[in-house]
Amino acid sequence: KQEVTQIPAALSVPEGENLVLNCSFTDSAIYNLQWFRQDPGKGLTSLLLIQSSQREQTSGRLNASLDKSSGRSTLYIAASQPGDSATYLCAVLGGGGSEKLVFGKGTKLTVNP
Amino acid sequence: NAGVTQTPKFQVLKTGQSMTLQCAQDMNHNSMYWYRQDPGMGLRLIYYSASEGTTDKGEVPNGYNVSRLNKREFSLRLESAAPSQTSVYFCASSEGRGRQYFGPGTRLTVT
Repeated sequence: KQEVTQIPAALSVPEGENLVLNCSFTDSAIYNLQWFRQDPGKGLTSLLLIQSSQREQTSGRLNASLDKSSGRSTLYIAASQPGDSATYLCAVLGGGGSEKLVFGKGTKLTVNP
Repeated sequence: NAGVTQTPKFQVLKTGQSMTLQCAQDMNHNSMYWYRQDPGMGLRLIYYSASEGTTDKGEVPNGYNVSRLNKREFSLRLESAAPSQTSVYFCASSEGRGRQYFGPGTRLTVT
């Protein structure tokens, strides 16, 4: 059974810092991996999707990498801003035609002005 | 852009009552999903529908039923609500196995 772990559960940084969020998964036979952002009391917003054949994806100040063989992904946020404060969730979609997205429990990020 | 919409936003039920959560998407996606989010448990898949006319169980389907009414709409029904079903429910849609788009959620309390 696929398990997704995100460490740390919470992170507090000063504004302007570059930071890395970590995601690990137990079964490397994945189809894709997605990073989401969730603001308090809101739904999830998809940030980046990395196909299993890709190594990384970039969107603005966000860069996500994927190392399928080691079961790891990182989300790099450059020059963090208070508006980046949110919970970041990692989710993997398994191979073999599965449509079941398995989520980690998230990292709650606080960026202090 | 409406994207994925859910109704109601909030609901309080008594144990044993029934209700249906509604979800609609305007992106012409084939796949639709229902998740629940609980503190400490993360998001868990309840049911999904890969195309109009098909539904499949996810990780936590017990106590729920679903209907894929048409390509746009996917409803989740609680026939006899229990306190353990107190949660935040999210609907999502995607084109096949691509990026998933989420609705704003329904906060359900069962007393």
